[in-house]
Amino acid sequence: EAGVTQFPSHSVIEKGQTVTLRCDPISGHDNLYWYRRVMGKEIKFLLHFVKESKQDESGMPNNRFLAERTGGTYSTLKVQPAELEDSGVYFCASSRAQGAGSPLHFGNGTRLTVT
Amino acid sequence: QKEVEQNSGPLSVPEGAIASLNCTYSDRVSQSFFWYRQYSGKSPELIMSIYSNGDKEDGRFTAQLNKASQYVSLLIRDSQPSDSATYLCAVNRGAGSYQLTFGKGTKLSVIP
Repeated sequence: EAGVTQFPSHSVIEKGQTVTLRCDPISGHDNLYWYRRVMGKEIKFLLHFVKESKQDESGMPNNRFLAERTGGTYSTLKVQPAELEDSGVYFCASSRAQGAGSPLHFGNGTRLTVT
Repeated sequence: QKEVEQNSGPLSVPEGAIASLNCTYSDRVSQSFFWYRQYSGKSPELIMSIYSNGDKEDGRFTAQLNKASQYVSLLIRDSQPSDSATYLCAVNRGAGSYQLTFGKGTKLSVIP
């Protein structure tokens, strides 16, 4: 079973530019999550998709962040325009269902550096 | 008060010893608890989940949960150098979503 894959693994952009991160969840996993870890902080929840619908986006920091999951397969997270404080590692995770017996699988993350 | 607290370490133990990792959480309604292992530059990998008070054992790993004390721990027996990693404690408020709250992690070094 292929794991959660994220592209790119690293991205360096200038302040004010736009970046789009992509996540391919494990096949058959309806639940897709975005998390991020900024320098020196803990990993924090951003949002949760169930299939193509946003179930919970309470962790999105502001309207410069836009997540989509068209067709309920892969997801993108766009940051526009990027600010310095957006630097960090963005993790995607997926699960087949919720609760015991359906663990959350993480991707390796995209390291975003905004200069 | 931080929601999930862990000692950042580094925690150093000799090979073959027991490593003890601790975590406290502030939200009393938390229902599920997880330990993830993360090697540098890699994804967090789930190694233990626990939902009720007491101990849960899986191979060399034992998770312990005490909801009254809002405390969860992970014991690693017969520690190996390959166990050297950052261990993340994560807590989930409810059963409807994996909106996990993570601690900053404890870096474990197992010395050969």
